[in-house]
Amino acid sequence: DAGVTQSPTHLIKTRGQHVTLRCSPISGHKSVSWYQQVLGQGPQFIFQYYEKEERGRGNFPDRFSARQFPNYSSELNVNALLLGDSALYLCASSPGTGQGYEKLFFGSGTQLSVL
Amino acid sequence: DAKTTQPPSMDCAEGRAANLPCNHSTISGNEYVYWYRQIHSQGPQYIIHGLKNNETNEMASLIITEDRKSSTLILPHATLRDTAVYYCIVRASNFGNEKLTFGTGTRLTIIP
Repeated sequence: DAGVTQSPTHLIKTRGQHVTLRCSPISGHKSVSWYQQVLGQGPQFIFQYYEKEERGRGNFPDRFSARQFPNYSSELNVNALLLGDSALYLCASSPGTGQGYEKLFFGSGTQLSVL
Repeated sequence: DAKTTQPPSMDCAEGRAANLPCNHSTISGNEYVYWYRQIHSQGPQYIIHGLKNNETNEMASLIITEDRKSSTLILPHATLRDTAVYYCIVRASNFGNEKLTFGTGTRLTIIP
């Protein structure tokens, strides 16, 4: 079975541009979360979506938005890119049964560089 | 979610047991202890989790103290492929809560 897939794997943008990152969860998983990992730090939670509804939001500006589609895939959008948005963006999926102790499965991430 | 404290780095000889400590002195009764690891250039990988009993799976063992204020992840026979950053995370078991709060973790280096 395929794991969590993210695209693209690498991306270079310039300041002020917009970017869309994509994530396909493991088959059967209904919950998708997004994390940002800046070099040298642990991942930071951005969003969680379950059944197309936002279930959680981290401390990120409104330039960051996301959505989940009927097939449970997800997009993360970042507007007006800043140099500080350069990071590895990770997507994670889980079955989403809501048991509260489910493990997350992470993709390999999209490395975004903002110049 | 409760805060965790881990040593920034550790070394372990190949073939020996690697014991990674984690302090979570403010843990609440409904919070689980999770361990993930991140090998260079990959996404984090789930290792194990527990509430208050010791747990073991094919990857590792998790020992949680009786007062639940600290825990130890044990990799019984470390290999070079276990070189990674290991994150100890405490998370409440609320319905639908899947937010993981990562710290800076422990960088484990397995020495040949």
